[in-house]
Amino acid sequence: NAGVTQTPKFQVLKTGQSMTLQCAQDMNHEYMSWYRQDPGMGLRLIHYSVGAGITDQGEVPNGYNVSRSTTEDFPLRLLSAAPSQTSVYFCASSSWTSGGATGEQFFGPGTRLTVL
Amino acid sequence: KQEVTQIPAALSVPEGENLVLNCSFTDSAIYNLQWFRQDPGKGLTSLLLIQSSQREQTSGRLNASLDKSSGRSTLYIAASQPGDSATYLCASGGSNYKLTFGKGTLLTVNP
Repeated sequence: NAGVTQTPKFQVLKTGQSMTLQCAQDMNHEYMSWYRQDPGMGLRLIHYSVGAGITDQGEVPNGYNVSRSTTEDFPLRLLSAAPSQTSVYFCASSSWTSGGATGEQFFGPGTRLTVL
Repeated sequence: KQEVTQIPAALSVPEGENLVLNCSFTDSAIYNLQWFRQDPGKGLTSLLLIQSSQREQTSGRLNASLDKSSGRSTLYIAASQPGDSATYLCASGGSNYKLTFGKGTLLTVNP
């Protein structure tokens, strides 16, 4: 199993450009999520999904869009990049319970994004 | 709102020492508590997951405990090695799929 994969590993954008960060998992997990990690701020949840066709906002969703058309893929779209979106982005997946809890989280290797 | 705190922010120990990393959380109504390791420039690697009904979990030289009533979890590393050097993060799993992370403890094990 490849686990959780992310592409690209590195990306440099100019202010105003748009792009999509890709995330895929092969563990048949229903729950997938996107985090950004910034120095001194820790990991912050951007968006999450509990299954195909179902997404919801996390703590810092502004400037980002997501969709979930398949169980395997959960892309993150930056609509109009801003320097404040310079960060390291992590995708994660896990199982979940009907009670609203997630199981063991598995993380991808991350995408390091710089917005000039 | 759940808050997760990890103290100390950094820890330096000599090789071979047994050590304890601390994680505290404000809301005891958690479903689980997970410990991760993060190497520089890498993603997070899951170490141990403790369900709310459990008191501890063990994997090799690692032992994690959970005390919901006091809002604390500890990660015990036995016989530390230089390869254990990394940032260790804990995260509490709550309702509505919420996972709250601490900011981590940077561990350095000196040969």
